Amino acid sequence: GIQVEQSPPDLILQEGANSTLRCNFSDSVNNLQWFHQNPWGQLINLFYIPSGTKQNGRLSATTVATERYSLLYISSSQTTDSGVYFCAVEVKGGSEKLVFGKGTKLTVNP
Amino acid sequence: AAGVIQSPRHLIKEKRETATLKCYPIPRHDTVYWYQQGPGQDPQFLISFYEKMQSDKGSIPDRFSAQQFSDYHSELNMSSLELGDSALYFCASSGWTGGTGELFFGEGSRLTVL
Repeated sequence: GIQVEQSPPDLILQEGANSTLRCNFSDSVNNLQWFHQNPWGQLINLFYIPSGTKQNGRLSATTVATERYSLLYISSSQTTDSGVYFCAVEVKGGSEKLVFGKGTKLTVNP
Repeated sequence: AAGVIQSPRHLIKEKRETATLKCYPIPRHDTVYWYQQGPGQDPQFLISFYEKMQSDKGSIPDRFSAQQFSDYHSELNMSSLELGDSALYFCASSGWTGGTGELFFGEGSRLTVL
């Protein structure tokens, strides 16, 4: 099956810092989504981004489908950004389910 | 906007008991997915339904079954519960009608097996 690798696995930042999270995938995909799982366990949709670049406030994402990777940028981080960030992909030619990476655990300290 | 509704949010059961989780998808979404997330793990796909028919199956134990009803809500039935079934269970829905196929997740049902 498809491999989805996220890096780094853990990241600790001071409030106000910027960061880049990476997601590599091993096969062609129809869909790629980024999620934030908050400390209460909720999975929050951040981006639906099978290709191209999108921005939403302090967050932006870029997917280069031909090179099989996606990046999530967080600028001016806040303590509320803490949690686990998951990348999930839908394999091209497969069912529509998402396959998740192991996630990046982000801790933002005040 | 309406979201995916899951119930119950928390559930405590004893070993060998049975549990049923319910999921109400976003209106007009025709596909429902169930995921299981163990402590410190990523969500793992269990099963999905499209237009009330099973569309894909992942690593779902034989003790678990699921179905999607005529009103598109779905239920996950878990029998002979084991300690290892303790997890967060997510339901997600998607729909191409007026949408992109993006998956939206509910808030999850946290099952604790004692």
